[in-house]
This record gives sequence, structure tokens and C-alpha cells, in this order.
Amino acid sequence: DIQLTQSPSFLSASVGDRVTITCRASQGISSYLAWFQQKPGKAPKLLIYTASTLQSGVPSRFSGSGSGTEFTLTISSLQTEDFGTYYCQQLKSYPLTFGGGTKVEIK
Amino acid sequence: EVQLVESGGGLVQPGGSLRLSCGASGFTFSDHYMDWVRQAPGKGLEWVGRSRSKAKSFTTEYAASVKGRFTISRDDSKNSLCLQMNSLKTEDTAVYYCVRAKEVVGGYYFDYWGQGTLVTVSS
Repeated sequence: DIQLTQSPSFLSASVGDRVTITCRASQGISSYLAWFQQKPGKAPKLLIYTASTLQSGVPSRFSGSGSGTEFTLTISSLQTEDFGTYYCQQLKSYPLTFGGGTKVEIK
Repeated sequence: EVQLVESGGGLVQPGGSLRLSCGASGFTFSDHYMDWVRQAPGKGLEWVGRSRSKAKSFTTEYAASVKGRFTISRDDSKNSLCLQMNSLKTEDTAVYYCVRAKEVVGGYYFDYWGQGTLVTVSS
């Protein structure tokens, strides 16, 4: 199985800060990677797919990059509504797997 | 508007069975792969399994943790996806999400999620 390791597991940042979350895959997954945002008590929301494609309706302050084994999700200017937990997911091979999550807190 | 509505969750004893349903609307259900994802209380996301479309002969994939115990089926005439769960274990306790997968060049990505239904396995 392909393991995904996210870092950090928790971050606290201020409104306007640039935030970067990293996802590392245990083996190469090309660009078969997605990023999700989940708020408490809600279903996850797709932000980015194919590592760098912004899902329709997602603010442009979100961006994704990377290929192979290392990927990043960047929020260029953190907003109050960006709190929540962020997950990466690989779709290269079965079983589909998720990273452990990064909880983002607004200071 | 795409909608996915799960039902059928509840409390069940270890070793018991439960059948979850997902009603879909707002899109051509038969064209899409559909998945189940679960989330144990306070934990991360775990993929459970996939139902491919008719074009791919309705084939399925499962996570090792549920293979042989869970079965995914679909009824395209009713825009419905089901998850039959047998031999339930306490570790199957989770919120179960029905998810639509959209096809793009480069794979099938989870673009719409239901609100989830809670399954609790406890004596």
C-alpha cells in the first residue's frame, strides 16, 4: 500500500499568512494526488486534483504543486474560513489512501 | 445540483449486519464511479471501496480491512448505491460517506460527498 505522510500535523497561523502543507508518498504516484478540506461535522471538500488543478469554485488562494513523492498545498493568504483539517489522497493505485491530516487553526 | 443522501446507519452488535444506501440526484448516476469512505470518531479518512460504472462492467474494489465482509452494489435505474456490511466489528464504527468520483485525465477524483451516516458497532 502507498503511505502518505503529511506535515505538520497541526499548525496555527494568522490571517494573511502564507501556509504550506506537505504530503510525502512512500512511492512515486506521478500526479495522482488530491487535497481536501474538512470542517468539524462536515464532509470533506475537494480543493485540488491531479496535484495542481484547482477544483471549480475553490478560491485561487489555494494552490497545489509537486509530482512523484513530494507534494505541497499552499494557502497564499490565510482567511478565517480556512480553519479545518486538510487531507491529501493518492489515486495511483489501490487501496486508495489518505494522509493523516493537518489541522489548521487561526490564531 | 448534485446531491448524495446516505441512510441506514445505526447501532448494531458485533457480528451483525447493516445495509447502507445512498440516493443520488442532479447528475447522470450511471456514468460515474461511486465510492464509500469512512471516518472513525476523531480519526482520519479511510477509503472503503469503489463501484465502477456500467461501462466498466460494475466491477468493484475494496480495502483489505473490509474485503470479504462488505459488498458494494448499485442500481442505476434507481440512482442508488448500497453498502452491505456483514460480520461487523467494533473497529467498523465510523461515519460512512457516499462519494461521487469524477473522471479527469489522470484518474477519478472525489468531487461530491454525501453528509454521511453514522454506524456504531457495540454490544
